[in-house]
Amino acid sequence: QVQLQQWGEGLLKPSETLSLTCSVDGGSLSDHYWHWIRQPPSKGLEWIGEIDLRGISNYSPSLASRVTISKDTSKNQFSLKMNSVTVADTAIYYCARGGYYYDSSQDSWGQGTLVTVFS
Amino acid sequence: SYVLTQPPSLSVAPGKTAKITCGGNNIGSKSVHWYQQKPGQAPVLVMSYDRDRPSGIPERFSGSNSENTATLTISRVEAGDEADYYCQVWDRSSDSYVFGTGTKVTVL
Repeated sequence: QVQLQQWGEGLLKPSETLSLTCSVDGGSLSDHYWHWIRQPPSKGLEWIGEIDLRGISNYSPSLASRVTISKDTSKNQFSLKMNSVTVADTAIYYCARGGYYYDSSQDSWGQGTLVTVFS
Repeated sequence: SYVLTQPPSLSVAPGKTAKITCGGNNIGSKSVHWYQQKPGQAPVLVMSYDRDRPSGIPERFSGSNSENTATLTISRVEAGDEADYYCQVWDRSSDSYVFGTGTKVTVL
């Protein structure tokens, strides 16, 4: 049973860089797609992006200019960086495991990290 | 970009059937995944590829997808099914995932 444990800075000011890490226990980063998804307070889910088994990243068109997803296979961790944050980026951020294919579901999720951007 | 529309809310009595719809242009040509999210918790996958139930999800959950509507059906609804439900697809034209607007299911 794969488990995802995530952490990162929870309070940011506008223009700063959001940085989150997700550690994978019980699974290999070389076997699946790995995702970041966020949820603003009392709102719906928004897909941020993914990194595939080869290390190639793909991002939501609306966030692509500010987001980088990377992975460290030696540590079995993957990370999210989002620069130039604004109040609108305040949300719970989740890491999740995808499947083996580009259109697979996300079957395991991290516990979520609340990131608050305040001015 | 591709849009998935869900009813904001749905109320159902215990023991009855809940049908949660997800509307999208020609969604029947895409694979639809469904997630259940309870307050304060991370989403949980309850249906993948239209009708595949992950291990541990009760048989009361079933899915279908045709033409412009995908449906998640919960039979014999229980109090524990009260949650928000989201549909999701991979949109080839934008090379990205899209989530539905979400449906809050209330068990009366």
